[in-house]
Formats: sequence, structure tokens, C-alpha cells
Amino acid sequence: DAGVIQSPRHEVTEMGQEVTLRCKPISGHDYLFWYRQTMMRGLELLIYFNNNVPIDDSGMPEDRFSAKMPNASFSTLKIQPSEPRDSAVYFCASSPGGGNYNEQFFGPGTRLTVL
Amino acid sequence: GDSVTQMEGPVTLSEEAFLTINCTYTATGYPSLFWYVQYPGEGLQLLLKATKADDKGSNKGFEATYRKETTSFHLEKGSVQVSDSAVYFCALSDQPGSNYKLTFGKGTLLTVNP
Repeated sequence: DAGVIQSPRHEVTEMGQEVTLRCKPISGHDYLFWYRQTMMRGLELLIYFNNNVPIDDSGMPEDRFSAKMPNASFSTLKIQPSEPRDSAVYFCASSPGGGNYNEQFFGPGTRLTVL
Repeated sequence: GDSVTQMEGPVTLSEEAFLTINCTYTATGYPSLFWYVQYPGEGLQLLLKATKADDKGSNKGFEATYRKETTSFHLEKGSVQVSDSAVYFCALSDQPGSNYKLTFGKGTLLTVNP
């Protein structure tokens, strides 16, 4: 069974450009999470979805960031316009929900560099 | 709010040494506790978990016991290997079943030398 798939794995762009990160969660998982990881701030939850509906976007840093989940098998995180301080590794994770614990399965991440 | 505090790294050990990474937490409810591991260039993977007080999670020689009285979930391994070199994250999920957010610690980098 395939895990969480993210694309691209690496992205280098110039300041001011639009960046779109993509995620395919594990089939059957009801929850999808977007995280950002930097040396300074560690792992930060940006937003998460339940059944394609955004539940909590309080971690989204500012209006330049937006996330969508048009269907159960696809989500995007968009940054427009990008800035050098957005450089980080962005992880997508999915979770089946239910049960008495909440394990999340992480993708390999997208390393974003904004010049 | 919920929080997780891990011992700061980096931690450097020789092969076959004993490992302890301390983790304490603050939560309003009765959280589930996790250790995740991140190998270089990869995403996080669940290493072990415990869902209630006094539970012991174990996997790949690693163990951690959920101690409600000390609000701790320390990670231990009796004999580390070079392949254990990675970043280890302690995490909690408060009110499991109703709140699917995980709160992570800052991570502890472990390097094991041959």
C-alpha cells in the first residue's frame, strides 16, 4: 500500500513567485495535515482537514498561504507570493481517525527554497 | 494549552551504549503519547505509542512508559546502533477520538558512532 505522496520533493523558486505543493493521502484516511519544519521553529501544524473540510487553519502564517482539498485523494498548499522566509520543509500527513489514538502517517516532504 | 518538552540535543553515543531521551508533557485531558522518528531526508514515522497511564510502548528495541504521576514519557533503548541515528520527536494528542491534532516537542538529534 502506497504511503502519503508529496510532490515535488524539491522546489527552488524566486521571491514573489507562486508555489504549489501537492499531497495525496493514504486511501481511506479521513484526516489530512500540512506541517512546516524549520530549524528555528521546529515542526509547526499549518492546517488540517477532515473529510475534505478545513477544520483548523490557525497555524497558517498569513494570507499568502492557502490550502485546498478538492477531493479525498488530493490536497494543495499554495504560497503566493513566496518570500525567502518561507524556505522550509513542508510535510503532509494523513490519519484514519477513529479508535483511541491518533496516529499520523507522514509523507517524505517538499524542501522549498525561496531565493 | 498542551505542550511537550524534550531534552535538548544533540546526543552523541557510541554503538551499544544505553539511550535515554527525556520527555515531559502538559495537557488538560488524558492524552495519548507518541514517539516519532525522522531519518535523514525522510518524513516522520511513528516509533511507538501509549494511550493510557502505565502503558508501555515498544518497538525496535525502544521503550517508553506513560507516567501520569510525573507527566513523562521517556524514550529508552538498551543498546543503540549506528542505524538509530535520527531525530526523535515526542508528541501528544489530547482527547483522542475528538481532537486529531498532535502537539510535538522540538526534537532531539541522536548520533551513534561506530
